[in-house]
Amino acid sequence: GQNIDQPTEMTATEGAIVQINCTYQTSGFNGLFWYQQHAGEAPTFLSYNVLDGLEEKGRFSSFLSRSKGYSYLLLKELQMKDSASYLCAVSRGDYKLSFGAGTTVTVRA
Amino acid sequence: IAGITQAPTSQILAAGRRMTLRCTQDMRHNAMYWYRQDLGLGLRLIHYSNTAGTTGKGEVPDGYSVSRANTDDFPLTLASAVPSQTSVYFCASSESGTSGADEQFFGPGTRLTVL
Repeated sequence: GQNIDQPTEMTATEGAIVQINCTYQTSGFNGLFWYQQHAGEAPTFLSYNVLDGLEEKGRFSSFLSRSKGYSYLLLKELQMKDSASYLCAVSRGDYKLSFGAGTTVTVRA
Repeated sequence: IAGITQAPTSQILAAGRRMTLRCTQDMRHNAMYWYRQDLGLGLRLIHYSNTAGTTGKGEVPDGYSVSRANTDDFPLTLASAVPSQTSVYFCASSESGTSGADEQFFGPGTRLTVL
């Protein structure tokens, strides 16, 4: 089966940095996605990693280590609008996505 | 640009009734997907279609059926709804269903309650 683990909740202060970890064990691997989902809304794409290393996109960065089955999403200079759920998803060998349960990030003033 | 639309936005349904959730995309994407999202479980794939005329089963297909008569539409049918099908249903699409790099675009979701 597929196993994708990420913390359930995280809380941080506005302007701070938060790192959301994701570990995975899946049947095949064709890349790892991070999606953002605000309450009551659809998930939206944040990042995609297929090679080891760090991908930076503005305030958000995503890291992948395929040998360790590990990824993290780094959110810098947190803003109130970053309060949302962050979903880790692995593209499996059949190119279908397996999702983690999501990490709810709450940003406090 | 509409992207993906879903209907209805929400629905309360009596157990045993038949229900079809509608999904339409205007991006000419080949692949489409149906997920359900339940608290603590994340998004789970119900059915998918890599191209018009073909469909496949996901992780949780029982009690659901789909069809893909054309590129744009991908309806999901619950033949006889049960309370365990209470969930938020998301339709998604991607350019192809055969590339690991394909970003999936999600519709706004349908909140379904089965009593």
